[in-house]
Amino acid sequence: QQPVQSPQAVILREGEDAVINCSSSKALYSVHWYRQKHGEAPVFLMILLKGGEQKGHEKISASFNEKKQQSSLYLTASQLSYSGTYFCGTEISGGGADGLTFGKGTHLIIQP
Amino acid sequence: EAGVAQSPRYKIIEKRQSVAFWCNPISGHATLYWYQQILGQGPKLLIQFQNNGVVDDSQLPKDRFSAERLKGVDSTLKIQPAKLEDSAVYLCASSFGVLGGGPKETQYFGPGTRLLVL
Repeated sequence: QQPVQSPQAVILREGEDAVINCSSSKALYSVHWYRQKHGEAPVFLMILLKGGEQKGHEKISASFNEKKQQSSLYLTASQLSYSGTYFCGTEISGGGADGLTFGKGTHLIIQP
Repeated sequence: EAGVAQSPRYKIIEKRQSVAFWCNPISGHATLYWYQQILGQGPKLLIQFQNNGVVDDSQLPKDRFSAERLKGVDSTLKIQPAKLEDSAVYLCASSFGVLGGGPKETQYFGPGTRLLVL
């Protein structure tokens, strides 16, 4: 049931764009995106809801394809501060009865 | 606004010893989560509380792990006895969200407790 993230790692130059994917074998109710820097707690970025409603970070966007059961996180004109590990957390049903299931993460390194 | 507080930040113990972690969620947050994050992995949910009741503990190894949230605020996670494979970061998170049909509210994570079992 753990979502699969791709790529596992990516190295970019500052200013380049990145796409991180999250795929599930089960139908999803919502997808939550977090960024974690080394030795720190995960920080919330974005939530994608079934039906298309979206909330989140002003400089990062995301999509949620319910039919394909996948979500993608888009980072445009990447900055050095974007470096870290990105996790998607998936929710199978609404109502808060089940916890988030996180993927293994995508390591993003931004070089100057 | 104060964030999620956890203590201790680091703990080193020998296998078969006991250890306890403490978490104080953001004021007003009804839901509290404990996650285990093994090096190189995403957080894995151990237990979820709604106020002082358990909502989900399906992934909690109940033969050695226990958790409580007696007054619906602070929470304690205990491991007794610890095994080598329990070495991980234990993250506490909280959210305002209440049960009732909507999606999970944003979860705010604490800094975590890094446990090393020797």
